[in-house]
Amino acid sequence: SQQGEEDPQALSIQEGENATMNCSYKTSINNLQWYRQNSGRGLVHLILIRSNEREKHSGRLRVTLDTSKKSSSLLITASRAADTASYFCAAETSYDKVIFGPGTSLSVIP
Amino acid sequence: DTEVTQTPKHLVMGMTNKKSLKCEQHMGHRAMYWYKQKAKKPPELMFVYSYEKLSINESVPSRFSPECPNSSLLNLHLHALQPEDSALYLCASSLVTGSTGELFFGEGSRLTVL
Repeated sequence: SQQGEEDPQALSIQEGENATMNCSYKTSINNLQWYRQNSGRGLVHLILIRSNEREKHSGRLRVTLDTSKKSSSLLITASRAADTASYFCAAETSYDKVIFGPGTSLSVIP
Repeated sequence: DTEVTQTPKHLVMGMTNKKSLKCEQHMGHRAMYWYKQKAKKPPELMFVYSYEKLSINESVPSRFSPECPNSSLLNLHLHALQPEDSALYLCASSLVTGSTGELFFGEGSRLTVL
């Protein structure tokens, strides 16, 4: 079963612009994680925000969590061509499952 | 060592074959996972092992049989697969289950069933 829903499904921006991706989920969570996947490769963990946190930063990444709306957003600032990848949110539920949303395909044009 | 190693990287098998996918980590993690990913789709959880015991089976068909021989190794035994089982199979590990923190993923085994 799919826990998270993401929008947009695809995003194309110019290098230097900011990219914002949104994620919604359905049940209660322990934490919300964001991952990146380059084409056909394994996933790389980007950032984790716990259910009692509202905002977190890591380098050019900013993630927010609104548990009342069951939603999260990932902001990538000053994007680079190397940021081109698929981005997935993943909700860790109270049943110890980590369930991934459908993902956003980001293209950063040099 | 922060790696999860999966072998083989590519596997082609017929519907009557028996094969296995292997996953290894040496980070001392006690939770290990199998995910299946079809093209342009998110990873779908298949199995979770916690302290070498199967804790979650997401109603996966019995032609997929997981095994966790020790805390560092995770296998996925494949038998009588169907062409629709062709996918990227991803192994992951985490410190423990339950508010675990991040999952560490391997690069995956790309399976083609003829």
